[in-house]
Amino acid sequence: SQKIEQNSEALNIQEGKTATLTCNYTNYSPAYLQWYRQDPGRGPVFLLLIRENEKEKRKERLKVTFDTTLKQSLFHITASQPADSATYLCALPHGSSNTGKLIFGQGTTLQVKP
Amino acid sequence: GAGVSQSPRYKVAKRGQDVALRCDPISGHVSLFWYQQALGQGPEFLTYFQNEAQLDKSGLPSDRFFAERPEGSVSTLKIQRTQQEDSAVYLCASSLVGGAEQYFGPGTRLTVT
Repeated sequence: SQKIEQNSEALNIQEGKTATLTCNYTNYSPAYLQWYRQDPGRGPVFLLLIRENEKEKRKERLKVTFDTTLKQSLFHITASQPADSATYLCALPHGSSNTGKLIFGQGTTLQVKP
Repeated sequence: GAGVSQSPRYKVAKRGQDVALRCDPISGHVSLFWYQQALGQGPEFLTYFQNEAQLDKSGLPSDRFFAERPEGSVSTLKIQRTQQEDSAVYLCASSLVGGAEQYFGPGTRLTVT
């Protein structure tokens, strides 16, 4: 069955450094991959979508890569700020569905210290 | 503009009670999804609507769970005879079409005692 794995351990970094989060998946060839941010007590907020034919995508201080050979996506936040502290979720479309139904990883919590 | 809203934000139910959770999606969004999120986990898919049609309910954990979207806008997730294992955050999301980014509501935290 399809499986998505994100680092379950929290990532602690110093302000100004680059945070790198990993999303690995198995038994799957997704057409795209999405990243969401979730703050405590709130619903996930969409950040970026990258398609299988795109190697890299950027939005302001965010950069996502998508390696379909390694079955991995990396999510980078450059010049990190304490306000970037949150849980980041990787999501892929369910393999047999074109409805947009998503399978989520368990999320990685990022803590940026001033 | 208004985002996705959900009510109530918090619900405490005694085991065996029925509950109804409401979702108001973004106006014009065709697709509506319900997810269940346990503490420390990512959201898990429950069911999907395209307009008023429920096209996928494969994630509903039991026949105690029922969802509807009768006019293709507001949706209600109903849980009958609640059990302790139903305690979770229930998230609603909407999108313009399938395959697009999803916009989530704040969720309803259900606690069954």
